[in-house]
Amino acid sequence: DQQVKQNSPSLSVQEGRISILNCDYTNSMFDYFLWYKKYPAEGPTFLISISSIKDKNEDGRFTVFLNKSAKHLSLHIVPSQPGDSAVYFCAASVYGDNDMRFGAGTRLTVKP
Amino acid sequence: DAGITQSPRHKVTETGTPVTLRCHQTENHRYMYWYRQDPGHGLRLIHYSYGVKDTDKGEVSDGYSVSRSKTEDFLLTLESATSSQTSVYFCAIQGRSNEKLFFGSGTQLSVL
Repeated sequence: DQQVKQNSPSLSVQEGRISILNCDYTNSMFDYFLWYKKYPAEGPTFLISISSIKDKNEDGRFTVFLNKSAKHLSLHIVPSQPGDSAVYFCAASVYGDNDMRFGAGTRLTVKP
Repeated sequence: DAGITQSPRHKVTETGTPVTLRCHQTENHRYMYWYRQDPGHGLRLIHYSYGVKDTDKGEVSDGYSVSRSKTEDFLLTLESATSSQTSVYFCAIQGRSNEKLFFGSGTQLSVL
């Protein structure tokens, strides 16, 4: 029962261009959404989050968009840099529930 | 960086043997989690703890047990390891429910 889905296993973009990573969810009770970034041989690290009362959250080069009616969120990275090359996980949770659900991840490669 | 240490970092064991993984935190966070990461599945919750001696099951708890006798330590035990438990195991901590997670560096476990 994969409640959070990342349908693109990989994405390759040129340095300086925009990277768009997508995530879909099925549980309409989710009210908190997060993106994590993971480098090889390291644990995931928090990148950015958004509450269900918002539709956009921005932090420097990273912006997360939430479309509740479509149960879809996306992460935009502008401009993309080679150091952004990593696996990105989308995650979602319900307030008060400790079971945060993760997508399968998207491997982003930014080419110089 | 959050103070989380996982040990061992790598473990090779044989089918049927018991295995214990340790997670140690120095942040005094209330919540602690064990996840496993597998290709195509992302991170899946095994067990979590919301206080000393207070634990609960996650999505994939079969074959695993946990214990938390001190705030700083959360142990994951595979009672009788199977090849399907070959995975990368991540510990995570959280200060309050519905906040971001901080992850350890992971334990690569191979069950032969």
